[in-house]
Parts: sequence; structure tokens; C-alpha cells
Amino acid sequence: GENVEQHPSTLSVQEGDSAVIKCTYSDSASNYFPWYKQELGKRPQLIIDIRSNVGEKKDQRIAVTLNKTAKHFSLHITETQPEDSAVYFCAASIHNDMRFGAGTRLTVKP
Amino acid sequence: SAVISQKPSRDICQRGTSLTIQCQVDSQVTMMFWYRQQPGQSLTLIATANQGSEATYESGFVIDKFPISRPNLTFSTLTVSNMSPEDSSIYLCSAGGQGAVYGYTFGSGTRLTVV
Repeated sequence: GENVEQHPSTLSVQEGDSAVIKCTYSDSASNYFPWYKQELGKRPQLIIDIRSNVGEKKDQRIAVTLNKTAKHFSLHITETQPEDSAVYFCAASIHNDMRFGAGTRLTVKP
Repeated sequence: SAVISQKPSRDICQRGTSLTIQCQVDSQVTMMFWYRQQPGQSLTLIATANQGSEATYESGFVIDKFPISRPNLTFSTLTVSNMSPEDSSIYLCSAGGQGAVYGYTFGSGTRLTVV
């Protein structure tokens, strides 16, 4: 089955800096790659997603890139703010069967 | 995107008893899933709830322990049976459509404590 690895497990940045979280997946048939943000005690919230026919997608301060050949995808957050502090999960999906990475705890220091 | 109502939000249960968790989606969705999340950990897929047929369970999860119902395209239940303290966790349902136009949405979770 699909295996998703996520790095780093923790990330601390200064407010205004950029943050990058990277994920790799094992099954080349995966075709959908969402990213979720989970604040303490709350449900995971979809923040951005990308499909296998697209290499990059951007939504304001958040962007995701996908390299199908290398089977990795990344989340980029620019101009980080304290409210970006949360746990971020990547996921890879084949035919609606979605597997999650282990998560990255992002801390943005004011 | 779909909005999911999940209940109960939390419960404390005696070992040996069972708890049924409900998820109601505000629109018809193709796929519904059940996940377990230990505090500080990632999400582990328990099963895919199939409408009108038996759920598809992941390795390590069995129907006798986690029976699932999905009578229609907007509702599903997960029962945690014969509970032990090891079942203490957060249980979340998720829903989405084929092709995931809006991605998968999660319910608010059920925090289960077994004593």
C-alpha cells in the first residue's frame, strides 16, 4: 500500500520567514495530494491540494509543488504569522484511499 | 465543501462496554471514512464506510471490534465494541466525493476515554 513520509517532524521559524514541509510517497499511482492544518484540539482542515496533472498550485501565502518523477511534494508557507502555528499533515490518495504523513509541528515565533 | 456533524464530542466509558459514534453530512458524498488519532500522532485509517455494503477495513482493524454502518450517502456510524483502555483515542469521520473536488472534510472528532 501507499506509504507517505513527512519531514521535518518539528519546524520552528521566526515570524515573517518562510516554512517548507516535504513529503514523499511510494505509489506512483497516487493522484491527489492534500495538505491539512490541525490546531490543538480541533479537526484537520484542508488548506490546499494538488492533483497529479499539476506541478504547482498557489493560494495567497501557501503553495504546494509536486514532482511526480521523484514522488515528492512540498508545502511552502511564506510570510509566516503566529496563527500559522499548528500541526500540518500531508496525504497521498489513490482512488480515494488516502494515507497521511506523520505530521509536522510548525511553531512561528513572534 | 461538505459539512460534517459528529457526535458525541467526547465520552468516558467503562471497559467492556460499547460506544457508537455518528456522523451526519449535509450533502450526499461518495466516500466516508473513519480514522483514529492518538494525541500528538497522525491519522490512522480504520475503514472505508461503503454505502449499502460491508465496510472495508484496514490491516489491524476488524469488523467485530469496529462495526460500521452506512445506510445512505449522508450518514455513517462507527461502534467501538468491548472497549479497553487501549481504545482511548480520538475518532474522526471524513467524507468526500469521487475525484475529491473539494477535498476531504473531517468531523469534529470524538474523544473517547475508557476507564
